[in-house]
Amino acid sequence: QKEVEQDPGPLSVPEGAIVSLNCTYSNSAFQYFMWYRQYSRKGPELLMYTYSSGNKEDGRFTAQVDKSSKYISLFIRDSQPSDSATYLCAMLVLTPGEGAQKLVFGQGTRLTINP
Amino acid sequence: NAGVTQTPKFQVLKTGQSMTLQCAQDMNHEYMSWYRQDPGMGLRLIHYSVGAGITDQGEVPNGYNVSRSTTEDFPLRLLSAAPSQTSVYFCASSYSEGYQETQYFGPGTRLLVL
Repeated sequence: QKEVEQDPGPLSVPEGAIVSLNCTYSNSAFQYFMWYRQYSRKGPELLMYTYSSGNKEDGRFTAQVDKSSKYISLFIRDSQPSDSATYLCAMLVLTPGEGAQKLVFGQGTRLTINP
Repeated sequence: NAGVTQTPKFQVLKTGQSMTLQCAQDMNHEYMSWYRQDPGMGLRLIHYSVGAGITDQGEVPNGYNVSRSTTEDFPLRLLSAAPSQTSVYFCASSYSEGYQETQYFGPGTRLLVL
């Protein structure tokens, strides 16, 4: 079982729709939860990060973390064609006994917003 | 600031050839890392460095070498290219190892090994 599971999609929705992207994880030691956006043939770009359960908003984007269910979501309101990209979730854990951090990525969900 | 830069953007190699992927950052970040991205696999860590002169292995280090002689540069060397190394390679950096939640990625190098 992968530590982080993400539905690869593809997901296609009409412009203006609310989009929900999700990841589940198995390691309860994950501390930070990130969402990256990756346009075609570009590097991942950090959208948001959070470390606590609950919601964090940034404009049209809301990141939600439910540590009890080991589930995170990214909501996009009023979706635009420019939001078409692959969205990657990522989680950070402090490796016990080593003092090092490990970053684990989901597989990425390809999203298309249709005008 | 240019951020994280990578060269070349695209490279074709024959099996057995060697090459170096270049990565540089101008943000004075201590932590730098190399990932490979394959379909359905997400991003996997190859090697990382917590500062000049210090490197360590990640999840998939076999077939790759790194060195870190300066804070700015972190080249990735393929010793003897294999078709399994066909992938997109990303370099990333953050202020320190303890700030990976705000990691910046380069534009990537697409590598095809024939």
